[in-house]
Amino acid sequence: GAGVSQSPRYKVAKRGQDVALRCDPISGHVSLFWYQQALGQGPEFLTYFQNEAQLDKSGLPSDRFFAERPEGSVSTLKIQRTQQEDSAVYLCASSSLSYGYTFGSGTRLTVV
Amino acid sequence: ELKVEQNPLFLSMQEGKNYTIYCNYSTTSDRLYWYRQDPGKSLESLFVLLSNGAVKQEGRLMASLDTKARLSTLHITAAVHDLSATYFCAGEYNNNDMRFGAGTRLTVKP
Repeated sequence: GAGVSQSPRYKVAKRGQDVALRCDPISGHVSLFWYQQALGQGPEFLTYFQNEAQLDKSGLPSDRFFAERPEGSVSTLKIQRTQQEDSAVYLCASSSLSYGYTFGSGTRLTVV
Repeated sequence: ELKVEQNPLFLSMQEGKNYTIYCNYSTTSDRLYWYRQDPGKSLESLFVLLSNGAVKQEGRLMASLDTKARLSTLHITAAVHDLSATYFCAGEYNNNDMRFGAGTRLTVKP
């Protein structure tokens, strides 16, 4: 596609519910990143894939967070047993092997 | 781990004035990025700075990089209302890890 597509655009989850956020990167982009952006803050790194390999997951805040990219294209960020502190915008970005990142519009997650 | 600090965090300026946003980073960075974010929107890439002394300009915005001082600046010339947004700098290291500053929320008033 022309850009990075994320869905859903908005998600309201009850505390304790599991959620899955999808990212469809630019076709052919090898690298894919997930960031968490709390209100009024800068994006915080969560995890990074190169093709299907998850090379860095050091930013995932707890074992409730899990990301996958099984075929090296679409990626899913899953959050289990959501908590209020998980409320944030989750941004996905993709990149080719040269420099430059393209960000998606994000998924705004609200845990109530 | 690369840490990125921006200042100021909030900036209110009048149209027509000039100002500079500063971005300091803690360790060697491969590349330095500047992004713009409008409320409720995603990040729009403004500049990528690759080497010491790099300077890039687009319209009323000019970005520079001093790798020795670990400092990048975003200079705004003759501000207009349309520049109101939040500006982030981000450093990239290990060729795949990008860390952001907290952002500078710019408001340009008539």
